[in-house]
Amino acid sequence: GAVVSQHPSWVICKSGTSVKIECRSLDFQATTMFWYRQFPKQSLMLMATSNEGSKATYEQGVEKDKFLINHASLTLSTLTVTSAHPEDSSFYICSARVVLELNTEAFFGQGTRLTVV
Amino acid sequence: QKEVEQDPGPLSVPEGAIVSLNCTYSNSAFQYFMWYRQYSRKGPELLMYTYSSGNKEDGRFTAQVDKSSKYISLFIRDSQPSDSATYLCAMSDSGNTPLVFGKGTRLSVIA
Repeated sequence: GAVVSQHPSWVICKSGTSVKIECRSLDFQATTMFWYRQFPKQSLMLMATSNEGSKATYEQGVEKDKFLINHASLTLSTLTVTSAHPEDSSFYICSARVVLELNTEAFFGQGTRLTVV
Repeated sequence: QKEVEQDPGPLSVPEGAIVSLNCTYSNSAFQYFMWYRQYSRKGPELLMYTYSSGNKEDGRFTAQVDKSSKYISLFIRDSQPSDSATYLCAMSDSGNTPLVFGKGTRLSVIA
């Protein structure tokens, strides 16, 4: 199946600093990628939809100035958590949908566990 | 009512048992249905994908979609301890919209 690579898999940062998470589609082009957040024992909550070459679309309640998304190419989307605080500690996951012959499938990166201390 | 409902479990079964996992949904426009398996501290891994109604089988896994009842199922035959994970159902109405997820069901298969 299609491969989505997410990096880093885990990161610890100090409160007030910024962290960048990369999401790459390795063997296909992804015009659209999605960023999710998952708290322990909770489901995935969509944060934003990232479109190549245009501004991301954020879900209600997600601060666009705090969670900066850049989708500069068809194979790379980045999420930057700016001025991170302990409450931003979570598991962040990116996803890309692959258009096949008659349908589409969605593949996920490995996820990034962010801990803000 | 939430768009997708899924019993969070936990569900504990003996090795070799048949496992049935289910989700219900309210949006009749959903056409794409997926099941993901997620191990602890890992991203979700696509297990099964179904478009519209019907059944799909892949090895020990069978996915069923009943659009008239807005009900989807995942069956795992001859369950193994390695199947212990959280299983998430997900669905969407088109090929380019984000998926809506269930809360996930935590499954433990006991040897």
